[in-house]
Amino acid sequence: SQQGEEDPQALSIQEGENATMNCSYKTSINNLQWYRQNSGRGLVHLILIRSNEREKHSGRLRVTLDTSKKSSSLLITASRAADTASYFCATDGRGNQFYFGTGTSLTVIP
Amino acid sequence: DSGVTQTPKHLITATGQRVTLRCSPRSGDLSVYWYQQSLDQGLQFLIQYYNGEERAKGNILERFSAQQFPDLHSELNLSSLELGDSALYFCASSVGWGYTDTQYFGPGTRLTVL
Repeated sequence: SQQGEEDPQALSIQEGENATMNCSYKTSINNLQWYRQNSGRGLVHLILIRSNEREKHSGRLRVTLDTSKKSSSLLITASRAADTASYFCATDGRGNQFYFGTGTSLTVIP
Repeated sequence: DSGVTQTPKHLITATGQRVTLRCSPRSGDLSVYWYQQSLDQGLQFLIQYYNGEERAKGNILERFSAQQFPDLHSELNLSSLELGDSALYFCASSVGWGYTDTQYFGPGTRLTVL
């Protein structure tokens, strides 16, 4: 089964608003990464947070990690129409495997 | 443009057939990963190669096989194709093999099995 699950499955907001999506995972991890995918395209790496970090920023992105709750959140501030995409969390897991979550589909309305 | 190339872009074939998907990693990257993305299964990790050797194995069916060649390009072979194999197949590459490596994804190959 999937290691990570994003919540919500879909999110629709107005341009300029903040978007928050969450990721929960099942087993202990070394790091957690967030990726973005435009419709039908390859994934693009956004940010990596290590298991000993609690928060990380990159431009308009803010990622938090709570290993005690096995969860992470991705906040996109001041959203733009170009942020419309699906967002996935990815974790390392057992046996050197990589697990991607089910994704959150974000729509930013101009 | 991630620097990862995949061919072909689209592939339409019939059940029972065999196809080969090709991936060229970014210059300097030693790891290649294969993923399958379908509507019902999401993005599934299939297999990883590092410098020619199999490094990690995910949910790869026995009908599927992969290899990485000395020039570091990789091929994913899918045989005895079934309707359920229809999906987007992504290749990704990274410099190293570890958990902290950023993976750079190719544009994908869309496989349709009729």
